[in-house]
Amino acid sequence: GAVVSQHPSRVICKSGTSVKIECRSLDFQATTMFWYRQFPKQSLMLMATSNEGSKATYEQGVEKDKFLINHASLTLSTLTVTSAHPEDSSFYICSAFSGGADTTQYFGPGTRLTVL
Amino acid sequence: LAKTTQPISMDSYEGQEVNITCSHNNIATNDYITWYQQFPSQGPRFIIQGYKTKVTNEVASLFIPADRKSSTLSLPRVSLSDTAVYYCLVAPDRAGRRALTFGSGTRLQVQP
Repeated sequence: GAVVSQHPSRVICKSGTSVKIECRSLDFQATTMFWYRQFPKQSLMLMATSNEGSKATYEQGVEKDKFLINHASLTLSTLTVTSAHPEDSSFYICSAFSGGADTTQYFGPGTRLTVL
Repeated sequence: LAKTTQPISMDSYEGQEVNITCSHNNIATNDYITWYQQFPSQGPRFIIQGYKTKVTNEVASLFIPADRKSSTLSLPRVSLSDTAVYYCLVAPDRAGRRALTFGSGTRLQVQP
């Protein structure tokens, strides 16, 4: 199947700083990528839909000015957590649709963010 | 999107067959049923997808009755490495283009 990577796999930062997380589709082009957040022992919750060349669509309750999404190319979407606070500590996961005959959605390995 | 209901947790032993059933009473005509597996601190991994009857791959089998109001994921001869959370999702058009709505999933614990 198609491969989606994320970088970094884990990051620890101080409160008030910004953190950028990259999501890449390694062997296919993805016009749409999705960003999810998962707290411990909970399920994945959709944060936003990232569209190449246009603005992201955010779910209700997700602050677009805090979670900046840039989908500048067909293989890269970035999520920047601005002015991070301890409550932003979570597991962030991206996914992408490979398109064509393969209609499966593939997930990245996730990024563990810890804000001190 | 159709709501899904699945057991919160299940326990099994190595070598046993595990069947996880998911209810989706409001499934629509164009909905597909997809199962994902998630290990701790990893992204979900696609296991299997089906529309009706039975689908089998190298990892699992998916049984879907004629009314499609439920589905059963069957894992043959589980091992310790099958300990994970299993999510049942129902979405239209194979859902590749749409964001997925994850329920609580079933936490499978395999004992030696």
